Amino acid sequence: IAGITQAPTSQILAAGRRMTLRCTQDMRHNAMYWYRQDLGLGLRLIHYSNTAGTTGKGEVPDGYSVSRANTDDFPLTLASAVPSQTSVYFCASSDTAGGHTGELFFGEGSRLTVL
Amino acid sequence: GESVGLHLPTLSVQEGDNSIINCAYSNSASDYFIWYKQESGKGPQFIIDIRSNMDKRQGQRVTVLLNKTVKHLSLQIAATQPGDSAVYFCAENPPARQLTFGSGTQLTVLP
Repeated sequence: IAGITQAPTSQILAAGRRMTLRCTQDMRHNAMYWYRQDLGLGLRLIHYSNTAGTTGKGEVPDGYSVSRANTDDFPLTLASAVPSQTSVYFCASSDTAGGHTGELFFGEGSRLTVL
Repeated sequence: GESVGLHLPTLSVQEGDNSIINCAYSNSASDYFIWYKQESGKGPQFIIDIRSNMDKRQGQRVTVLLNKTVKHLSLQIAATQPGDSAVYFCAENPPARQLTFGSGTQLTVLP
């Protein structure tokens, strides 16, 4: 059972370059999320999608964009990377039963370093 | 203990002892709470959840306690094992809003 698959696992990127982090889930969950994790700041929500075809902004959306063309895929794009976007990025999904976010299933993370 | 948005506290316990990890949440309207465990180099994993109509919920070796009066959540781990060493996050979920995570507590189990 794969669950959530993220790629790449790790990437070093020059500032100003464009980068897409890929995320695929095989659980047929409606909702998907992108978080960034920085030491001392926990997990902060970047963007989310409650269902295919819709997206929403989280706590720290600036500099990032997402798309949700289908249920399984939720790529995160950095149009022009900056050093402050150096972080570990986690994709997650949930079956949003009960009107809450519910239990999130996380991928293993993508470590991005912007130089 | 942990609070949403503050620095990462640490907790060290002897193997076999009980651990208590604390969390102060911010939104009095939050009605759903989750604890996650994150091992080094991995994504967070669900441990246990609790709804606001409950004060206590037990799982396998873990218990979550909720005190809505003081907006406090705790995770108790019985007979702590080396495999319990990880960062533990609490998260709160206000109605119709996204989960908000705390900054985490590093638990270290000493031999």
